[in-house]
Amino acid sequence: DVKVTQSSRYLVKRTGEKVFLECVQDMDHENMFWYRQDPGLGLRLIYFSYDVKMKEKGDIPEGYSVSREKKERFSLILESASTNQTSMYLCASSAGQGALGSGANVLTFGAGSRLTVL
Amino acid sequence: AQTVTQSQPEMSVQEAETVTLSCTYDTSESDYYLFWYKQPPSRQMILVIRQEAYKQQNATENRFSVNFQKAAKSFSLKISDSQLGDAAMYFCAYRRALANDYKLSFGAGTTVTVRA
Repeated sequence: DVKVTQSSRYLVKRTGEKVFLECVQDMDHENMFWYRQDPGLGLRLIYFSYDVKMKEKGDIPEGYSVSREKKERFSLILESASTNQTSMYLCASSAGQGALGSGANVLTFGAGSRLTVL
Repeated sequence: AQTVTQSQPEMSVQEAETVTLSCTYDTSESDYYLFWYKQPPSRQMILVIRQEAYKQQNATENRFSVNFQKAAKSFSLKISDSQLGDAAMYFCAYRRALANDYKLSFGAGTTVTVRA
C-alpha cells in the first residue's frame, strides 16, 4: 500500500521557534507538495518540488522554506513560527511525467500535521 | 492560481438519498483536469473521481458521478445512495493539462453530513 508519511500529527510551538515538518513517500514519486488547510480557504499551495534539490514557490510561500535532499523526503521549514501559521499542513506526492496517464495527475496525501503556534 | 469555487460550505443528506455538490472554476485553458477529493474525519485525503476536460462523457465511479459542463465551467459531484461512510469534507480541484505542471488548485470544500 502506497504511503505518504508525515512525521508529526500534532505539534505545539512557541512564536519565534524554528519548526520542521517532515514528509516521506515510498512510491518513488518525482513530485512532492506542501499545502496548508484552513477553514473556509481550502488547501493552499505553499511549495512544491518536481525533483531532488528542486523547489518552487506556490501561492503562499512567505514565512516558509523547503528542502528536498532525497527523492523520498520533502521538508517544510518555518524559520520563525508565528501565530498566523497555526494550521493543518498536508504533504502530497504524485508521479512525474514518465508515469502512465493518470499517475501524474493523482495526488497521494499524508495524514496531515496540525501545528499550533502559541 | 486558478480559482475554484465551492459555494456550499455544508450539505446534509439522508442515508440512501442523493446529494449534489457544486463546483465552478475559472480558467482560460482549453484542456485541463478536474478532481473531487474526499477528506474523512481521519484527515487522509483520497481521490474520489477525476475528469479530463477533453472528454465529453461524464466520469462515474460506482455511486459517484460528475456533471461536467465545460462551457459553464461547472463540475458538480453527485453521490447516490448515500452511506454513513460518505460523511466527509469534499474538495473540488483543478489542474492544467500542461507538461511539467502538476500543481492542483483546490476549492474551499463542502462538508457532507449523512443522517441515519
